[in-house]
Amino acid sequence: DIQMTQSPSSLSASVGDRVTITCRASQNINVYLNWYQQKPGKAPKLLIYAASSLQSGVTSRFSGSGFGTDFTLSISSLEVEDFATYFCQQSYNLPRTFGQGTKLEIK
Amino acid sequence: QVQLQESGPGLVKPSETLSLICTVSGDDSISGNYWSWIRQPAGKGLEWIGRMHSSGSTNQNPSLKSRVTMSVDTSKNQFSLKVTSVTAADTAVYYCAREDYASGSYPLFDSWGQGTLVTVSS
Repeated sequence: DIQMTQSPSSLSASVGDRVTITCRASQNINVYLNWYQQKPGKAPKLLIYAASSLQSGVTSRFSGSGFGTDFTLSISSLEVEDFATYFCQQSYNLPRTFGQGTKLEIK
Repeated sequence: QVQLQESGPGLVKPSETLSLICTVSGDDSISGNYWSWIRQPAGKGLEWIGRMHSSGSTNQNPSLKSRVTMSVDTSKNQFSLKVTSVTAADTAVYYCAREDYASGSYPLFDSWGQGTLVTVSS
């Protein structure tokens, strides 16, 4: 199985800040990397697919980059509704695997 | 827009079988797509359990493979999950999700059910 490792596990930031979350795959996954946002008690929501493509309806404050084994999710100018947990997920092969999550909290 | 809804018992006894159904509705049908089950223990990460295609083909996570059975009923727009011999470690929120292929090539989970909590306890 491909192991996905996110860092940091938690992050405190203020409204208006720019933050970056990192995801590393245990092997080359090309651009087969998706990012999801999850709020308490809710299902995950797709933000970014294929490493850098913005899902329809998602604000352009979210952006993704990376190739191979190292990927980043960036959020520019944080808003209150962005405080949530973020997961990366590889779709290169089966079984699909997720990172352990990064909890973004308000400072 | 497709909607998914999980249903099934919220409490299962140890060693018994967990059974869930996901009903698909909206302007999409179950045909021609992959449908996955994903679970999340409280306060933890996401684990992909497996998927099935409307044709009936399945793929399962080797970590659970011997205990998992999935099936589809296209006439009812439903797909189902069974996990046998459950233990407390199977306690989790279970989600069903559609796996679509962006640009025909990039798999992604774009639609999710709201999730259903299944507790394994006597």
